[in-house]
Amino acid sequence: DQQVKQNSPSLSVQEGRISILNCDYTNSMFDYFLWYKKYPAEGPTFLISISSIKDKNEDGRFTVFLNKSAKHLSLHIVPSQPGDSAVYFCAASHAGNNRKLIWGLGTSLAVNP
Amino acid sequence: GAGVSQSPSNKVTEKGKDVELRCDPISGHTALYWYRQRLGQGLEFLIYFQGNSAPDKSGLPSDRFSAERTGESVSTLTIQRTQQEDSAVYLCASSLAQGGGGTDTQYFGPGTRLTVL
Repeated sequence: DQQVKQNSPSLSVQEGRISILNCDYTNSMFDYFLWYKKYPAEGPTFLISISSIKDKNEDGRFTVFLNKSAKHLSLHIVPSQPGDSAVYFCAASHAGNNRKLIWGLGTSLAVNP
Repeated sequence: GAGVSQSPSNKVTEKGKDVELRCDPISGHTALYWYRQRLGQGLEFLIYFQGNSAPDKSGLPSDRFSAERTGESVSTLTIQRTQQEDSAVYLCASSLAQGGGGTDTQYFGPGTRLTVL
């Protein structure tokens, strides 16, 4: 039973354009959401997070939007760069489960020059 | 400052052997998590340590898996009598665990790739 879902296994965008990665969740207890970026043979690298009390968090080229009523979040990368090519994971947690991260299966982003 | 480190980076073992994986968390991080990612699957939680509290072992897949942590430092994950289905990347993460309802970010090590032949 996948509590965090990333329905697009892959995404390809042109350099300079916007990348939008989507994530849906089912557990209404989740109150903290994170995006990680992962290169092959490396551990996940933290990218950006959002608490459920907010609907948007921005950090440079990266913005995360949270729609609690729809149980949906998205990561926007603008402008996309070839170095952004990686697998992006959405993860969620809540205080009641010791903040263990529940992960989506990832979306592989390819940014083409 | 040093990040989370894990050793070995790769481990190949024969079915039935025991293996021990090591994690050094970021200094000052009181919370430590182990996850694993099997080929083609998502990351799955294994075990959580927080200070001197009893660990949350709810993610350990069988009693062949165990983990220890000394205080707020090094942790070791031990897999006894390894099976082929144990082959995976084992990832360790640590966080400040600011307590209460506070949220904090987990920072990951590079992982140990375990291959059981």
